[in-house]
Amino acid sequence: GDSVTQMEGPVTLSEEAFLTINCTYTATGYPSLFWYVQYPGEGLQLLLKATKADDKGSNKGFEATYRKETTSFHLEKGSVQVSDSAVYFCALISNFGNEKLTFGTGTRLTIIP
Amino acid sequence: DAGVIQSPRHEVTEMGQEVTLRCKPISGHDYLFWYRQTMMRGLELLIYFNNNVPIDDSGMPEDRFSAKMPNASFSTLKIQPSEPRDSAVYFCASSRRVVAGGRNTGELFFGEGSRLTVL
Repeated sequence: GDSVTQMEGPVTLSEEAFLTINCTYTATGYPSLFWYVQYPGEGLQLLLKATKADDKGSNKGFEATYRKETTSFHLEKGSVQVSDSAVYFCALISNFGNEKLTFGTGTRLTIIP
Repeated sequence: DAGVIQSPRHEVTEMGQEVTLRCKPISGHDYLFWYRQTMMRGLELLIYFNNNVPIDDSGMPEDRFSAKMPNASFSTLKIQPSEPRDSAVYFCASSRRVVAGGRNTGELFFGEGSRLTVL
């Protein structure tokens, strides 16, 4: 079945540092890929997405590129801020069969001033 | 446009009591999902509906849990009887199709959650 593996947290960085959160997936066909973010006390919200190979999703300074050859969708940001502290979830949805999302386990990010 | 609305935001109850959580999805959305989140188990999908019809309830823990969606604008998740291990944050989320008759976009809009504590 489909699965998503993302790097274990927690991740702690200083403000303005470069961020990478790794995400790899296993899926049949051509899934769409997502990053969701959860701020403390809130529900998840969509951060960015990519629907086909080589697509780059971007939002709020975050980027991720759909790499089919390495089955990866790593999240990056060039200069993190304290306000980026949150839990980040990588997810996919298959293009056939079941229409539910498969989520990774989440990576907690803390940015220190 | 209003987002996904859940109620109650917080519920504290005693073991054995019935709990009903409510969700109003975004108008025009075709899919509704119920998730449970705990520190130990993370985010778990309980059930999802497509056009008000339950499609996959394989994540519902046991017969004590039931979910209904009587119309496109309302869903409930019921736990009867509740147990301390049911303590969690329960999220409702909705999404729409890519095009009419198409598949789920995967772009879920989550509510703020209902925090349940069973004593």
